[in-house]
Amino acid sequence: ILNVEQSPQSLHVQEGDSTNFTCSFPSSNFYALHWYRWETAKSPEALFVMTLNGDEKKKGRISATLNTKEGYSYLYIKGSQPEDSATYLCASLTGGGNKLTFGTGTQLKVEL
Amino acid sequence: DAGVTQSPTHLIKTRGQQVTLRCSPKSGHDTVSWYQQALGQGPQFIFQYYEEEERQRGNFPDRFSGHQFPNYSSELNVNALLLGDSALYLCASSLRIGGSTDTQYFGPGTRLTVL
Repeated sequence: ILNVEQSPQSLHVQEGDSTNFTCSFPSSNFYALHWYRWETAKSPEALFVMTLNGDEKKKGRISATLNTKEGYSYLYIKGSQPEDSATYLCASLTGGGNKLTFGTGTQLKVEL
Repeated sequence: DAGVTQSPTHLIKTRGQQVTLRCSPKSGHDTVSWYQQALGQGPQFIFQYYEEEERQRGNFPDRFSGHQFPNYSSELNVNALLLGDSALYLCASSLRIGGSTDTQYFGPGTRLTVL
């Protein structure tokens, strides 16, 4: 993997469904993996910063895992609600500094 | 506590013109990064400012320049605008001492349209 890739590109789920999406990133020279939630017309909201292999983080119904050896992270949403509708972005930080390399995002729509 | 603010919200320019976008970081933050998000793409890193100096730069031409002021606010300048510069420009702030794993907080962005 040379770039940060996210899948799927978009996702439609029903209220109450649990869902997950994937972020793949270069595993060499890895420093950190950031997850953001971005609602339309708002600022991207930081969800997690993950650094250690095997790391798991949780914020309410949202959780994330990290595998730095194989270069992927999963974001899980349990019991999706309409307010979870947003684009979820991941960004990799490699080689030090503060330059984030973003994926193109997963657009989630939760329907009633 | 005010978050990251950006101005203006929207801007329309014509090819060849110059534009200045402004960013005020989150209170207590000393580092400002700028990103460009073109349609259908993830945000692309332009550059980062700390202590009024450009510290890191992404793959953007010299037409893109910036400045950081003593109060940590920042400007992004783009000269000789091209149609391809049409994008959402995002500013993010962070605390340098937090290191490379510190959370970057984003503003709502400035939508630039070049006609």
